[in-house]
Amino acid sequence: GAGVSQSPSNKVTEKGKDVELRCDPISGHTALYWYRQSLGQGLEFLIYFQGNSAPDKSGLPSDRFSAERTGGSVSTLTIQRTQQEDSAVYLCASSLQGASGDTQYFGPGTRLTVL
Amino acid sequence: AQSVTQLDSQVPVFEEAPVELRCNYSSSVSVYLFWYVQYPNQGLQLLLKYLSGSTLVESINGFEAEFNKSQTSFHLRKPSVHISDTAEYFCAVSERASGNTGKLIFGQGTTLQVKP
Repeated sequence: GAGVSQSPSNKVTEKGKDVELRCDPISGHTALYWYRQSLGQGLEFLIYFQGNSAPDKSGLPSDRFSAERTGGSVSTLTIQRTQQEDSAVYLCASSLQGASGDTQYFGPGTRLTVL
Repeated sequence: AQSVTQLDSQVPVFEEAPVELRCNYSSSVSVYLFWYVQYPNQGLQLLLKYLSGSTLVESINGFEAEFNKSQTSFHLRKPSVHISDTAEYFCAVSERASGNTGKLIFGQGTTLQVKP
């Protein structure tokens, strides 16, 4: 079946603008994760969804970052008032149940560039 | 809290030579261990993982990793690499505890460059 998809693949925005990044997980996967991959920080966890709930938001770097998931499927990561340090590749992953040994399947990522 | 250290940022190696990519972790609780690979212009994909049982785990393309609890290591090895193995390799851990979210803590990555 289809893998995890993300859109857009690339996003260039001006400092101070808001952006929305979308993730479509594998059908039937209840767990969804957002990670960020940047040169300085490597791969960092941002937020975890189980169904439509987000029991772990511990990785969100500031209150400018928020995310939601609807219908137990699509998720949107929103960054308000973007800053240059937000430039990174944002990765989405899903897993069947969210158990800690489950394999996570990653999407291709959204490359965000903040000018 | 957990942390993962990949000791080499880049590993250049000639085709058909053996390779070892090193990974050490630190954790106050038991963890599961993973190696993910990112081929050029592709997304991250699981290479192999250790959950329990035999400490030596293998992937379908000839890589293997051995969990060493006393040394808190999970080094990745391949006896003979191919050009197609050129990629970035990430070691990761997640907490084993019941009810854990499964979030992955990644190392900084190691770029394997296989030369002809």
